[in-house]
Amino acid sequence: NAGVTQTPKFQVLKTGQSMTLQCAQDMNHEYMSWYRQDPGMGLRLIHYSVGAGITDQGEVPNGYNVSRSTTEDFPLRLLSAAPSQTSVYFCASSYNRVGYTFGSGTRLTVV
Amino acid sequence: DAKTTQPNSMESNEEEPVHLPCNHSTISGTDYIHWYRQLPSQGPEYVIHGLTSNVNNRMASLAIAEDRKSSTLILHRATLRDAAVYYCIPPYSGGGADGLTFGKGTHLIIQP
Repeated sequence: NAGVTQTPKFQVLKTGQSMTLQCAQDMNHEYMSWYRQDPGMGLRLIHYSVGAGITDQGEVPNGYNVSRSTTEDFPLRLLSAAPSQTSVYFCASSYNRVGYTFGSGTRLTVV
Repeated sequence: DAKTTQPNSMESNEEEPVHLPCNHSTISGTDYIHWYRQLPSQGPEYVIHGLTSNVNNRMASLAIAEDRKSSTLILHRATLRDAAVYYCIPPYSGGGADGLTFGKGTHLIIQP
């Protein structure tokens, strides 16, 4: 099993550009979520999904969109990148909400 | 919403036990207590969870107070690889969102 795979690992964007952060899991987990982590801070929930076709907003959803067309994939879209979105992004998945498996993260810099 | 309180940092010596406290006085009767840790430059890693009684797994033990207002994560014999930020987490974030609420956690420093 590959677990939770995030791509890319690093990305530099210019202000106003859009991009999609990819997240894929091969564990047949229903629950998936996206977090961002700013320096010296804990993770904050952006969006989450409780199954294919079902998504909802977390604590800091503004500027991000998600979709869940399959159980395996949960991409995060930045609509118009801003410097405030410079952060490390983590995707996570779980079978039963108890033990989430996290990806290794995407380090995003917006200049 | 359930909230947790942890010390900002703790220091211990290698091969000694480590007790990491967490206060969760507002937790409800059906909320599980979860612990995760984050090693440097990595994503968080699930450690352990429990409801009412003490729990053990290969990574750690979790001691839960009888009134459930606090818990302690126990690393029985710390190694340098246990140096990480440890998060005590209530099961759901505020507003009913289905995800994890991470505070700042406890930065555990292990001295050789």
